[in-house]
Amino acid sequence: AQTVTQSQPEMSVQEAETVTLSCTYDTSENNYYLFWYKQPPSRQMILVIRQEAYKQQNATENRFSVNFQKAAKSFSLKISDSQLGDTAMYFCAFMKRVLIFGTGTRLQVFP
Amino acid sequence: GAGVSQSPRYKVAKRGQDVALRCDPISGHVSLFWYQQALGQGPEFLTYFQNEAQLDKSGLPSDRFFAERPEGSVSTLKIQRTQQEDSAVYLCASSPDLKRDNEQFFGPGTRLTVL
Repeated sequence: AQTVTQSQPEMSVQEAETVTLSCTYDTSENNYYLFWYKQPPSRQMILVIRQEAYKQQNATENRFSVNFQKAAKSFSLKISDSQLGDTAMYFCAFMKRVLIFGTGTRLQVFP
Repeated sequence: GAGVSQSPRYKVAKRGQDVALRCDPISGHVSLFWYQQALGQGPEFLTYFQNEAQLDKSGLPSDRFFAERPEGSVSTLKIQRTQQEDSAVYLCASSPDLKRDNEQFFGPGTRLTVL
């Protein structure tokens, strides 16, 4: 069975600084997808970034980038130039057909 | 276009009552997923539909949980004889088609509180 582990329950960062959220996973699959989702207090799950396991190049989306280490089964999210609106819960998720989520990291961006 | 919608947004039920939670996926989306998110936890998979066919219900926690999607669009998650441990946010997600099954679009969820 696949599992996803987020070892940082809470993180904080000052506005405009950079923060990295950690995620590890366990699977015997070779082809799969990895995701980072953002969940603000409104509860709406918003896709931040996606990585396809067969692609070696790390995905980037504007201020968001990942460090995907397939052999180590690690998938960290880097947020550059943090903004107050980045404050939210962040979930790492693994997907073969359905999503398997980690327990989340609560990120607080302060002025 | 409209995203995934869910109703009601909030539901309070007395223990033992039956509840029905509705999900309206994005028009034309083939796949539909239900997840349960307990307080302070990540969402956990409940069940999955491809059109009207329920292909996987392995995540349903008990036989009190039942989901349907009779016409391949709107889906209803029904919980019979609710218990306090059923209190959670129930999230619905839809996906465009089989080839793009990696993209799931989420609704705002229904927060169920069982007293």
